[in-house]
Amino acid sequence: GAGVSQTPSNKVTEKGKYVELRCDPISGHTALYWYRQSLGQGPEFLIYFQGTGAADDSGLPNDRFFAVRPEGSVSTLKIQRTERGDSAVYLCASSDGTSGGLSYNEQFFGPGTRLTVL
Amino acid sequence: DAKTTQPNSMESNEEEPVHLPCNHSTISGTDYIHWYRQLPSQGPEYVIHGLTSNVNNRMASLAIAEDRKSSTLILHRATLRDAAVYYCILRYGGSQGNLIFGKGTKLSVKP
Repeated sequence: GAGVSQTPSNKVTEKGKYVELRCDPISGHTALYWYRQSLGQGPEFLIYFQGTGAADDSGLPNDRFFAVRPEGSVSTLKIQRTERGDSAVYLCASSDGTSGGLSYNEQFFGPGTRLTVL
Repeated sequence: DAKTTQPNSMESNEEEPVHLPCNHSTISGTDYIHWYRQLPSQGPEYVIHGLTSNVNNRMASLAIAEDRKSSTLILHRATLRDAAVYYCILRYGGSQGNLIFGKGTKLSVKP
């Protein structure tokens, strides 16, 4: 079946511009996560959605970052007034989101969007 | 979530077993041990998880110390496609929330 997809795969923008990154989760997955990964580092959590609502946005670095998931499926990560330090790979993941005694709730990751801010 | 410690890098020869260690001395009784790996230019992928008992699946085995303060991911026969960064992550049982990644262990596999 189709996995998590992210578009675009690469985005180059100029400092100060606005960007949107899109994530299409696995169909039926209620939980959706955004991470970002800088070179040589592990992924860093940004925000987690359960359905349409943000269950945890504690990882968003500042108010320039915002994410939505209006219909509980596709999500868009929005970055305003981009800075060079925002350059990273932005990863999206989804999971079944139901507990039901499951201990692992495996997260399925997309290939990421590489954002470069010049 | 408790912290994990892994070596920065390891090397293996193709077709040989690989033992990737992880220390988690502050693990709590409700923390599960998860392993993910990230192949070059890809997102992470789930490998295996466990609580107390050793676990096997088609990808790997997970050996958990009796005191649960450490664990080892075992790849029984490394292939070139196993070259990746391996992350050991502790996660509260049943948690829906985010994964907390460290820097992981970069595994190189030599032909």
